[in-house]
Amino acid sequence: EPEVTQTPSHQVTQMGQEVILRCVPISNHLYFYWYRQILGQKVEFLVSFYNNEISEKSEIFDDQFSVERPDGSNFTLKIRSTKLEDSAMYFCASSEGSATSNTIYFGEGSWLTVV
Amino acid sequence: GENVEQHPSTLSVQEGDSAVIKCTYSDSASNYFPWYKQELGKRPQLIIDIRSNVGEKKDQRIAVTLNKTAKHFSLHITETQPEDSAVYFCAASRQNYGQNFVFGPGTRLSVLP
Repeated sequence: EPEVTQTPSHQVTQMGQEVILRCVPISNHLYFYWYRQILGQKVEFLVSFYNNEISEKSEIFDDQFSVERPDGSNFTLKIRSTKLEDSAMYFCASSEGSATSNTIYFGEGSWLTVV
Repeated sequence: GENVEQHPSTLSVQEGDSAVIKCTYSDSASNYFPWYKQELGKRPQLIIDIRSNVGEKKDQRIAVTLNKTAKHFSLHITETQPEDSAVYFCAASRQNYGQNFVFGPGTRLSVLP
């Protein structure tokens, strides 16, 4: 069964450093997402991406965050200057984008620890 | 925007008993309601979903009911097993794709042997 894959699985970074989290969505999916989950809390929406542009973003997704699809397979989340409160599990997800299927499928997550 | 509430936050049941988790949502335009199961340290995985044109859907021991008028939907797990122990999240979104999913705060289900 096709899966969303993410790298790295775990990253520790110094506060103020830039971080790039990488994702390979399911190949025939058209919509890509990033979600965040702080330890013990709910899954929070960050951004959705379609046709090489952001389709929606949340209040969390401020100027420190950016997303990019640098090639035909990867989808990245960049955090420009990390803060302690950015420590969380970051899930990439994708969906078909068809009229009958809105199901999103999550990757295994990238656990980011900012120290 | 959409707001999803979920109750209870924790639930303990004896193996073999049923478990029910309830969610309410605020946006009447939401029409797609998935349920995800998340085991410790793992990704959320879809276990069942329901669209607004259906009042109930069942898949083996799992069922979901939807009341659009009252804006609430529930997950029912029958004959619970220890491997059902996990955190369960409900979510709501609009069917037009690309719309973000708003998740509930989660329910930690413990099935006691």
